[in-house]
Amino acid sequence: GAGVSQSPSNKVTEKGKDVELRCDPISGHTALYWYRQSLGQGLEFLIYFQGNSAPDKSGLPSDRFSAERTGGSVSTLTIQRTQQEDSAVYLCASSLTGFQNTIYFGEGSWLTVV
Amino acid sequence: RKEVEQDPGPFNVPEGATVAFNCTYSNSASQSFFWYRQDCRKEPKLLMSVYSSGNEDGRFTAQLNRASQYISLLIRDSKLSDSATYLCAVNRGGSTLGRLYFGRGTQLTVWP
Repeated sequence: GAGVSQSPSNKVTEKGKDVELRCDPISGHTALYWYRQSLGQGLEFLIYFQGNSAPDKSGLPSDRFSAERTGGSVSTLTIQRTQQEDSAVYLCASSLTGFQNTIYFGEGSWLTVV
Repeated sequence: RKEVEQDPGPFNVPEGATVAFNCTYSNSASQSFFWYRQDCRKEPKLLMSVYSSGNEDGRFTAQLNRASQYISLLIRDSKLSDSATYLCAVNRGGSTLGRLYFGRGTQLTVWP
């Protein structure tokens, strides 16, 4: 499809394991965002990419969280040594240029840490 | 103070009712404004952008009041299918450029 694609859609992992979440933005979109949403909570900003660089990564909650983007396209969010409080849906979004543009979300990766 | 604040509701209204949501933002330099709709366990989807002069899309009307720093969403003739959480979002521009700040959402339930 033409939308933002995320994988895996669901992930159950044991506490202490590392996980990688992948996002494939809409073709041609230069801006890419990661948000997370815990059950019943609002959207929490994690990081924003413009091309391959991340001008705003102020929302990453700890140094266990990292993200990269390559080729101005696919992005990977990595969570190391997962904790139970990391359980949430991780939403990726993209927009055409990042400036005053609508952002479009993927369906999310639902992470459960047990 | 949070960047964007919304009344979380819930709002419970009968079909056909008119309902209005407000959202306030803290940064006066904010440049663009949006309403998103989020169904249960789904991703947010753009409902409409909010323009300075106000704009309408069918039963939905969005307004922006820069002086008071709030945006509003009016839904007329509510339908059962309007039941969802409505999120307002604000782009501050400047150094944060593309980042959208979201409110926590207002939950709406339309009953028959």
